[in-house]
Amino acid sequence: SAVISQKPSRDICQRGTSLTIQCQVDSQVTMMFWYRQQPGQSLTLIATANQGSEATYESGFVIDKFPISRPNLTFSTLTVSNMSPEDSSIYLCSVVGTTGELFFGEGSRLTVL
Amino acid sequence: GEDVEQSLFLSVREGDSSVINCTYTDSSSTYLYWYKQEPGAGLQLLTYIFSNMDMKQDQRLTVLLNKKDKHLSLRIADTQTGDSAIYFCAVRMNTGFQKLVFGTGTRLLVSP
Repeated sequence: SAVISQKPSRDICQRGTSLTIQCQVDSQVTMMFWYRQQPGQSLTLIATANQGSEATYESGFVIDKFPISRPNLTFSTLTVSNMSPEDSSIYLCSVVGTTGELFFGEGSRLTVL
Repeated sequence: GEDVEQSLFLSVREGDSSVINCTYTDSSSTYLYWYKQEPGAGLQLLTYIFSNMDMKQDQRLTVLLNKKDKHLSLRIADTQTGDSAIYFCAVRMNTGFQKLVFGTGTRLLVSP
């Protein structure tokens, strides 16, 4: 299994600011995914981050709001830009294991005031 | 797009079996997963099944897949209070980056 570390685990931010979430994996992986879980809701895919190319965003999510970096096969960042209270969510990164499993980090719980 | 549905709540007594159900719409799905989420925690992968399998058993967990009806279930034998959590089924698409589509989640409450 893959071990995924996310930072920060939680944060409280002011409206209009930006926050960058880091995701570190203990092994090299091709595909990394960023999900959002709004309060009391299920998970929604934000984007797929592949090393060496632009991230692919799902409908309803745009690069200006959620820029993603993927500098190597073990690391990715997601930035939540110009935050509003509606961005208060848990943000999770995930990776595909060698036999098809999808593992998740513990998530970054973001509260925007 | 893919639609994955679950019932919202399930309440059982300790020691009973729990069965959590999930239905999906995309017949080309490759992998189907069950995750557990405890309060304030991330997602824990419980088990998964390939689309060419009908059943998978892993200790107290049994996954049944009915591809014809596009129905997936998770049975937890001898349910314990520590099993109280939200359970998500997720279906892996067979297109593009094979993203996961999650169900709405079932909140399992186990009472002593």
